[in-house]
Amino acid sequence: AQSVAQPEDQVNVAEGNPLTVKCTYSVSGNPYLFWYVQYPNRGLQFLLKYITGDNLVKGSYGFEAEFNKSQTSFHLKKPSALVSDSALYFCAVRASGGSYIPTFGRGTSLIVHP
Amino acid sequence: GAVVSQHPSWVICKSGTSVKIECRSLDFQATTMFWYRQFPKQSLMLMATSNEGSKATYEQGVEKDKFLINHASLTLSTLTVTSAHPEDSSFYICSARPPSGIMLEQYFGPGTRLTVT
Repeated sequence: AQSVAQPEDQVNVAEGNPLTVKCTYSVSGNPYLFWYVQYPNRGLQFLLKYITGDNLVKGSYGFEAEFNKSQTSFHLKKPSALVSDSALYFCAVRASGGSYIPTFGRGTSLIVHP
Repeated sequence: GAVVSQHPSWVICKSGTSVKIECRSLDFQATTMFWYRQFPKQSLMLMATSNEGSKATYEQGVEKDKFLINHASLTLSTLTVTSAHPEDSSFYICSARPPSGIMLEQYFGPGTRLTVT
């Protein structure tokens, strides 16, 4: 079985400050990890993924995420938050083998204050 | 990136009627499409997975006779909510996955807001 935990329902950060949205996972074997963002009343947009290789993955809109195998984490980060980054963020995981259906976390609402 | 469209973006229907939602992959062939339901401020609930040319696989607790899914071509999947009731009101999102390869992520449609009165 595979699972994803996003321990924070909401993250608040001031504009210009660094942001972190946390994600931990559980999967059998090697993981494929993804981050998606959802703006109000819209579908999800793909941000970045980790498949293999460098543990630091860079994605869209200045976001990056670091894969930490020992801590089974894949936290999303950005050095300087923008008000326009305010949205709902979803982490997802699937095993590199077996079922190709990913499991999504419950989502974290990021609020960036001006 | 790949583009997935959904139509309609919102629909209001009367209780007891049926509503069809279309999901199209515009610039790639999607052998697999997923249908999700999302309640306010909640995560995505996977309803079913459809593969082109075969029957959809429904998640536990999802009524297959109520939520009819057809994936007739490599670019189109449809979800029909039959005999809709107010409790079916929700945000429905489809996603499509390109054939196996380096692109392992899913591409999501913009969603359809269904309101049943």
